[in-house]
Amino acid sequence: KNQVEQSPQSLIILEGKNCTLQCNYTVSPFSNLRWYKQDTGRGPVSLTIMTFSENTKSNGRYTATLDADTKQSSLHITASQLSDSASYICVVSGGFQKLVFGTGTRLLVSP
Amino acid sequence: DAMVIQNPRYQVTQFGKPVTLSCSQTLNHNVMYWYQQKSSQAPKLLFHYYDKDFNNEADTPDNFQSRRPNTSFCFLDIRSPGLGDAAMYLCATSRGFTGEGEQFFGPGTRLTVL
Repeated sequence: KNQVEQSPQSLIILEGKNCTLQCNYTVSPFSNLRWYKQDTGRGPVSLTIMTFSENTKSNGRYTATLDADTKQSSLHITASQLSDSASYICVVSGGFQKLVFGTGTRLLVSP
Repeated sequence: DAMVIQNPRYQVTQFGKPVTLSCSQTLNHNVMYWYQQKSSQAPKLLFHYYDKDFNNEADTPDNFQSRRPNTSFCFLDIRSPGLGDAAMYLCATSRGFTGEGEQFFGPGTRLTVL
């Protein structure tokens, strides 16, 4: 069964600290993996999209990694800011198939 | 700026009263999607259009219908909303096939059913 699991479910960190969110998937075949940021009451916004051959991709203070062999991805946030408080959703695509969404990690950055 | 626009942002309707949600895009993407997202859950795909071709998910209730009169606009019609239909409804677009093109989401419409 195609699934995407994220951990932790929720996380609280102090402003300025780093954190890493995890994503494990069983989607096959694999086409690409995306990380989205979703602010409360808003639509998801794309942070990164990685294909099979990409191991790491950065977008400002966000760095995503992908290990296609172990089917794991992580999203690392550096020097967190209050505006980073949001849900982070990992989404995996199997090509022509529809996207498989994780349930997200809710991050709260505390002052 | 090119974008995905949803109107209204907040919609209140009564139990059983039909409601229509609207989505428009300036990206000229050929694929448009409707998702339902309930609190603390992942978005759930209801259906999508590839150009004029309509693709309904197997578990989407008959209560939900969609129209795409042209490339730019797509509507979600809920014929008889129930309390369980209260959710955030997200419209998204992509260029190309479902899994290949990056999806761009609108800000969503929060539907409340009284």
